[in-house]
Amino acid sequence: ETGVTQTPRHLVMGMTNKKSLKCEQHLGHNAMYWYKQSAKKPLELMFVYSLEERVENNSVPSRFSPECPNSSHLFLHLHTLQPEDSALYLCASSQVGQGGPQHFGDGTRLSIL
Amino acid sequence: SQQGEEDPQALSIQEGENATMNCSYKTSINNLQWYRQNSGRGLVHLILIRSNEREKHSGRLRVTLDTSKKSSSLLITASRAADTASYFCATDDANQFYFGTGTSLTVIP
Repeated sequence: ETGVTQTPRHLVMGMTNKKSLKCEQHLGHNAMYWYKQSAKKPLELMFVYSLEERVENNSVPSRFSPECPNSSHLFLHLHTLQPEDSALYLCASSQVGQGGPQHFGDGTRLSIL
Repeated sequence: SQQGEEDPQALSIQEGENATMNCSYKTSINNLQWYRQNSGRGLVHLILIRSNEREKHSGRLRVTLDTSKKSSSLLITASRAADTASYFCATDDANQFYFGTGTSLTVIP
């Protein structure tokens, strides 16, 4: 699946670092999503950008900050993360209004030291 | 919670056997989707069934939907070792998708 590309694939960072995850979709979709996948837990929807407008998710800590400069690119800026933030972060895209499937990238495996 | 819940959490079968996974959800839906995730990879869409459909087929996959019971099942027939993966159902609510914890399927050659 090359429609949604995530970089980096693996990231190890300390709790005081600042890093960014990048997602790019080549499918012409108008909605993009960030999910967090932790072991033994449901896939957690973190942020949605639909038609380039952000849908708020008040349950996500402010140390995660999304950015969507255009419909093809999505970033997740990370700062002062905690060990419990270690997880697989997945990006997805879809076409709003058609009730169609989501297309996922292969994720960034994040480890917080 | 709007998320789907898959059952069983884990399933191990011999190659050639059929595998059945179930999904229950709590709210009304526009459609229900099934995804597969291989280890270390993203989720891949398998099949979508709309709320006004009761059954759908795609190759070796058969999905049923019972909106009165708020449940769906995924049947994989004549399983192969390559079917080993985690399987998730997802419900669609206003273009936001809600996933469960998945069923981990192991197909033994």
